[in-house]
Amino acid sequence: QKEVEQDPGPLSVPEGAIVSLNCTYSNSAFQYFMWYRQYSRKGPELLMYTYSSGNKEDGRFTAQVDKSSKYISLFIRDSQPSDSATYLCAMTSQGAQKLVFGQGTRLTINP
Amino acid sequence: DGGITQSPKYLFRKEGQNVTLSCEQNLNHDAMYWYRQDPGQGLRLIYYSHIVNDFQKGDIAEGYSVSREKKESFPLTVTSAQKNPTAFYLCATLRDRDRGGYTFGSGTRLTVV
Repeated sequence: QKEVEQDPGPLSVPEGAIVSLNCTYSNSAFQYFMWYRQYSRKGPELLMYTYSSGNKEDGRFTAQVDKSSKYISLFIRDSQPSDSATYLCAMTSQGAQKLVFGQGTRLTINP
Repeated sequence: DGGITQSPKYLFRKEGQNVTLSCEQNLNHDAMYWYRQDPGQGLRLIYYSHIVNDFQKGDIAEGYSVSREKKESFPLTVTSAQKNPTAFYLCATLRDRDRGGYTFGSGTRLTVV
């Protein structure tokens, strides 16, 4: 079993829809949770960063962390074609040497 | 304009050749990382370095080598011992180890011909 599980998709939704992307994890020591967005043939860019449990909102994006269920989510409201990309979840624990990444979910927003 | 420069963008390697991928940063970050990305497998850690002249193996270090002679530079050599080197290689830096937030370069696409 992988330490972080993420449905690779692909996921295709119409423009304006609410998108929900999710990751589950097995390591209860994880405290720092991130979402990265990666456009084709580019490096990932940090989209959202959350410490411990709770919600964080930034414009059309909301990140949720439920540590009791070992489950994190990224919601995209009013999705746009420019949101079409691969979304990677990542997480780490206090003092850890590295991030652990999910497989990435490929998302397409159709005009 | 601070950032990470990876070069070349595309690289072709013949069977049995060693090739070196460049990663240069002007962010003044101590930690640097090399990841490999394959379709459907996410990012896998090859090597990382938290200080000059020191580096550690990641999860898939076999067939790769690195050096860290300067804070700004962390080149990756893909040796002939790497049996399946075709992949997208990403270099990253980290400012604060406990707060995540990697900054990634734009990547190098390596293809074996």
